[in-house]
Amino acid sequence: QVQLVESGGGVVQPGRSLTLSCAASGLTFSAYGVHWVRQAPGKGLEWVAVIWSDGNNKFYLDSVKGRFTISRDTSKNTVYLQMNSLGAEDTAVYYCARGSGYRYGYFDYWGQGTLVTVSS
Amino acid sequence: EIVLTQSPATLSLSPGERATLSCRASQSVTSYLAWYQQKRGQAPRLLIYDASNRATGIPARFSGSGSGTDFTLTISTLEPEDFAVYYCQQRNNWPPEYTFGQGTKLEIK
Repeated sequence: QVQLVESGGGVVQPGRSLTLSCAASGLTFSAYGVHWVRQAPGKGLEWVAVIWSDGNNKFYLDSVKGRFTISRDTSKNTVYLQMNSLGAEDTAVYYCARGSGYRYGYFDYWGQGTLVTVSS
Repeated sequence: EIVLTQSPATLSLSPGERATLSCRASQSVTSYLAWYQQKRGQAPRLLIYDASNRATGIPARFSGSGSGTDFTLTISTLEPEDFAVYYCQQRNNWPPEYTFGQGTKLEIK
């Protein structure tokens, strides 16, 4: 049974940093891509970043390039999202999701999400 | 950047009726289109991938069609648990970007 569990969310001041974790059970990250998708309060879904199964290919939403970094620890079967220089526009529930299909193009398993609130 | 436009924004129907949701891409995505259902307070759930393939465990009343720029999600006979928000999503070629439509809220009439 595939399960993804996010953690690390919370309230953070503008300009500060936060690191989210996505721990997996029932699947091996090295065989799949893993995405981060966010949803601002009352808004739609927005893809944020992906790390491919090779661990080397990483892609980002334009608005987070240079501020966010996705990485993984295969020994812990965990993917991370390091977020720097946070602004109010980054306030959202952050979900991790497994990517499947060609270039991990759809998201077939999702975590429950972790809320990040950027506020002074 | 490929933009996905969903219509209508809100669809009001009764249980037992047929629902037709539309997703239009600003340029061709061939068949790389997926549909998700999201209920309040829950994570999204994959319904359809590659335009017309049902995901594991998805009831047969859900079907997807289309290719290129125009796609449709059809729910043949609405059940009470189907009232939710639905999103389409595409993956473009290179560099990889994965974008969602703005969503269609399916509400009880």
